[in-house]
Amino acid sequence: DQQVKQNSPSLSVQEGRISILNCDYTNSMFDYFLWYKKYPAEGPTFLISISSIKDKNEDGRFTVFLNKSAKHLSLHIVPSQPGDSAVYFCAATLYSGAGSYQLTFGKGTKLSVIP
Amino acid sequence: DAGITQSPRHKVTETGTPVTLRCHQTENHRYMYWYRQDPGHGLRLIHYSYGVKDTDKGEVSDGYSVSRSKTEDFLLTLESATSSQTSVYFCAISEPIRTDTQYFGPGTRLTVL
Repeated sequence: DQQVKQNSPSLSVQEGRISILNCDYTNSMFDYFLWYKKYPAEGPTFLISISSIKDKNEDGRFTVFLNKSAKHLSLHIVPSQPGDSAVYFCAATLYSGAGSYQLTFGKGTKLSVIP
Repeated sequence: DAGITQSPRHKVTETGTPVTLRCHQTENHRYMYWYRQDPGHGLRLIHYSYGVKDTDKGEVSDGYSVSRSKTEDFLLTLESATSSQTSVYFCAISEPIRTDTQYFGPGTRLTVL
């Protein structure tokens, strides 16, 4: 049973406009939520995170919103740039003991920013 | 960028052969992880390590073993590779203070024929 869901496999956005990527989760015990960006033939790159006790975190063009009651988070990219074209993974963490966290990933959303 | 390298970057092998993938870090981080990425599945945790000789299983550990004899190296072994283990394998590390955030290596593409 998938605990982290990204229901949109792909998204196309015009350059300069806002990109909104969505993620839903089922486990209320998740501690942190993260977004990773992945280019082809490279490893995922950490983008931004949010603690489960916050509802918003902003870093430059990237903002993550968390709605705990709806078990939903979203990543906003404003303005979108062609270099943002990549696969975006939503992930959530659970403490697994010995100071370590386990990440559970969604399946990813492929963002295409059209010039 | 986190100092993580993976070797080999690409490997083709035959069913039934043993395969070992290596992850090497220069950050001296305590925590290391192995994931696999498959179409339609995102990334799934295979095994992780919270110190030298300290390892534990993840979500999809069947058919895999790991070893960590030094802080900087985390090895993933497929004792007898199967076609279902064809995948892209990523190693990750996390910082001692922010273990919730993981940093990934470039990946190893493994094909089992």
